[in-house]
Amino acid sequence: GDSVTQMEGPVTLSEEAFLTINCTYTATGYPSLFWYVQYPGEGLQLLLKATKADDKGSNKGFEATYRKETTSFHLEKGSVQVSDSAVYFCALNNAGNMLTFGGGTRLMVKP
Amino acid sequence: SAVISQKPSRDICQRGTSLTIQCQVDSQVTMMFWYRQQPGQSLTLIATANQGSEATYESGFVIDKFPISRPNLTFSTLTVSNMSPEDSSIYLCSVGVMGNTGELFFGEGSRLTVL
Repeated sequence: GDSVTQMEGPVTLSEEAFLTINCTYTATGYPSLFWYVQYPGEGLQLLLKATKADDKGSNKGFEATYRKETTSFHLEKGSVQVSDSAVYFCALNNAGNMLTFGGGTRLMVKP
Repeated sequence: SAVISQKPSRDICQRGTSLTIQCQVDSQVTMMFWYRQQPGQSLTLIATANQGSEATYESGFVIDKFPISRPNLTFSTLTVSNMSPEDSSIYLCSVGVMGNTGELFFGEGSRLTVL
């Protein structure tokens, strides 16, 4: 079946540091890929998405590129802020209705 | 997109009791799902809530423990029955919107603590 693997956290960075959170997937066909963010005490919010190979999703300074050759969708941000502290989930939808989530990566940004 | 309201947002429950969580959407949606997020964990799909028929449960989840109703296209309930401390989790309602590219929208979640 489909699966998503994320780097384990927590990831601790200083403000303005560069962020990479790795995400790889296993799926047949051509899934759509997503990053969700969960701020403390809140539900999940869609951060960005990509629906086909080589698409780049971007939002709020975050980016991720759909790499079919490496089955990856790594999340990056050039300069993180304290307000980016949250849990980030990589997910895929493979021509179905439901999402398959990775394990989540907690990001902590220190001033 | 869709705006999803869940009630209660949090509750503390006694072992052996049952609690019903409500999910209200601001528009008609075809797909509604219930997820569980155990402490410090990722999200696990409990079931797909089907309008007018029985929910479709994922492996490891059964109707007797998690009965679900979906009387119309904007509303669903999830009941957590005969609760034990292992049921302490965040329960999230999510919906899919036709014409979108597979993303789901989530409610704020219902945080249950079972003593």
